[in-house]
Amino acid sequence: NAGVTQTPKFRILKIGQSMTLQCAQDMNHNYMYWYRQDPGMGLKLIYYSVGAGITDKGEVPNGYNVSRSTTEDFPLRLELAAPSQTSVYFCASSWRTAGYGYTFGSGTRLTVV
Amino acid sequence: AQTVTQSQPEMSVQEAETVTLSCTYDTSESDYYLFWYKQPPSRQMILVIRQEAYKQQNATENRFSVNFQKAAKSFSLKISDSQLGDAAMYFCAYRSEIQGAQKLVFGQGTRLTINP
Repeated sequence: NAGVTQTPKFRILKIGQSMTLQCAQDMNHNYMYWYRQDPGMGLKLIYYSVGAGITDKGEVPNGYNVSRSTTEDFPLRLELAAPSQTSVYFCASSWRTAGYGYTFGSGTRLTVV
Repeated sequence: AQTVTQSQPEMSVQEAETVTLSCTYDTSESDYYLFWYKQPPSRQMILVIRQEAYKQQNATENRFSVNFQKAAKSFSLKISDSQLGDAAMYFCAYRSEIQGAQKLVFGQGTRLTINP
């Protein structure tokens, strides 16, 4: 009963470094999403995917890249980390049908120094 | 584009009392879903309640209920008999039914404090 698994839970990066946030789901959901949550704010969509091989930009995609080679995995790549990318990152997945809402991972707290 | 607005950054209530969190949204669509999510200090996002726009009946889940006013584009959350475990950030969210556009749009959140 894993749901959505995100790794790592915490990470500190230096400016200019790169890293990949991992996300995996075992519910056979079609849709997967990456959101970021800045302190005291709501969640903003970075990228999403409606199925393997299909990805699209959300509201705040700059500085990030994604890929979806399998239904289960949806990694988020940060290239050339900047302090503005300090945030909590959430991965989520859902069925195609809108009424089911999302299942969220537990989040990754990223600090860029 | 759809927007969701939560006008109360913070709310507080005495334990065992009732509190209502406000949410308004903007859309031109007729079919959609609305959600309230709870985010405790653990950071986990927990679905509290959902409402289908085509249903006039307000959704309820135990101590949680909504007041859905479609014409006014309002979707408030009422928590009855507040408990200490209800303390959290609460996010209102909108999800379109349009194929390929089923993204959740979140409000800014309301931080709820429960006073013992």
